[in-house]
Amino acid sequence: EVQVLESGGGLVQPGGSLRVSCAASGFTFSSYAMSWVRQAPGKGLEWVSTISGSGGGTYYADSVKGRFTISRDNSKNTLYLQMNSLRAEDTAVYYCAKDNMITSGVYGAFDIWGQGTMVTVSS
Amino acid sequence: EIVMTQSPATLSVSPGERATLSCRASQTIISNLAWYQQKPGQAPRLLIDGASTRATGIPARFSGSGSGTEFTLTISSLQSEDFAVYYCQQYNNWPLTFGQGTKVEIK
Repeated sequence: EVQVLESGGGLVQPGGSLRVSCAASGFTFSSYAMSWVRQAPGKGLEWVSTISGSGGGTYYADSVKGRFTISRDNSKNTLYLQMNSLRAEDTAVYYCAKDNMITSGVYGAFDIWGQGTMVTVSS
Repeated sequence: EIVMTQSPATLSVSPGERATLSCRASQTIISNLAWYQQKPGQAPRLLIDGASTRATGIPARFSGSGSGTEFTLTISSLQSEDFAVYYCQQYNNWPLTFGQGTKVEIK
């Protein structure tokens, strides 16, 4: 079964750091770009970041650029999001999502989503 | 940034009726549009990709159409399990952007 499972969320103080992870199984992880999408409580979906299958291409929303870093370990079938200088407005469920197509770069539509991990930024 | 605007914000429909949801892009995205369904407490689910291609396992009552800047998701005969929030998303340009969602509720 194709699936992704996020972990690592929690409560962190403003200005703090947190790393969330996404373990993938059931597909050739290195062949697909992977993304993080977040959803603040009661709000809509917001794209955060994407990384190509090889890891050579990374993309960020302006709201997180310079603070968040996406990475992947294809030997461990795991995606990461390192979040630094966290702000209250980063509070959200963070979803890991798999690209729907194999491409040399990024496709950008997502066919497999995890259940999400909650990140709360509060003092 | 491409702004995606969905309408209406809320759609009240009776079971068995047809639902038509709209999504407009602020500039052309060709056919690089996806539709997702999200139920409370669940992750989004891909319904439509490439503006009109149903994803694996999606029932035929879901259909997508449009290109350029105007797109439509149609649910031909609403079932009880279809009451949810629906999002469109463009993947033609960075940053990837979602619409604000349309909530389909029981009338």
